[in-house]
Amino acid sequence: AQSVSQHNHHVILSEAASLELGCNYSYGGTVNLFWYVQYPGQHLQLLLKYFSGDPLVKGIKGFEAEFIKSKFSFNLRKPSVQWSDTAEYFCAVNEPYMRFGAGTRLTVKP
Amino acid sequence: DAMVIQNPRYQVTQFGKPVTLSCSQTLNHNVMYWYQQKSSQAPKLLFHYYDKDFNNEADTPDNFQSRRPNTSFCFLDIRSPGLGDAAMYLCATSRDIGQHYEQYFGPGTRLTVT
Repeated sequence: AQSVSQHNHHVILSEAASLELGCNYSYGGTVNLFWYVQYPGQHLQLLLKYFSGDPLVKGIKGFEAEFIKSKFSFNLRKPSVQWSDTAEYFCAVNEPYMRFGAGTRLTVKP
Repeated sequence: DAMVIQNPRYQVTQFGKPVTLSCSQTLNHNVMYWYQQKSSQAPKLLFHYYDKDFNNEADTPDNFQSRRPNTSFCFLDIRSPGLGDAAMYLCATSRDIGQHYEQYFGPGTRLTVT
């Protein structure tokens, strides 16, 4: 079965810094990849998803992710983070049920 | 708005005392899922229903059961909660099963076992 791994457990940034969170998936053919965000005390929300087509996917709140097949990666990026981006970020693969990475906690200092 | 609703948001139970968590959906989705999320960990699938067909993950303890009396509702029963069962329990739905079907999550129920 497909799986995803996230290497950064906790990332601390200052406001306006650029963000890149790593996500790698295991090989297994066609993949559908997702990034979810969980703000403190709130439910999981979908940031963006990749099914096929343009490997650069744009999501909500200024986030984007790039699917690089040769690297088995689907990294999440944001050019300039805000304090309100403080949250837990999960990469996931839907195969056929959502299987999550361990998550990356992002702390943005004001 | 169509949504996934979980009640209660916070549940406290005693060690060994059965507890039931509730999930309802207005999306009319065929599939309903229960995930367990322990602190600082990823959500882990416990089981799911495709319509009335129940599917258990291989490593889900027997202590966890589920019922789906109709399309809209799904319940998670923990027969004898232990301290290790304290977690956030997430309900999710999807229209169908497969790579292309996004899952929609409820806000979760945080279970405390005393």
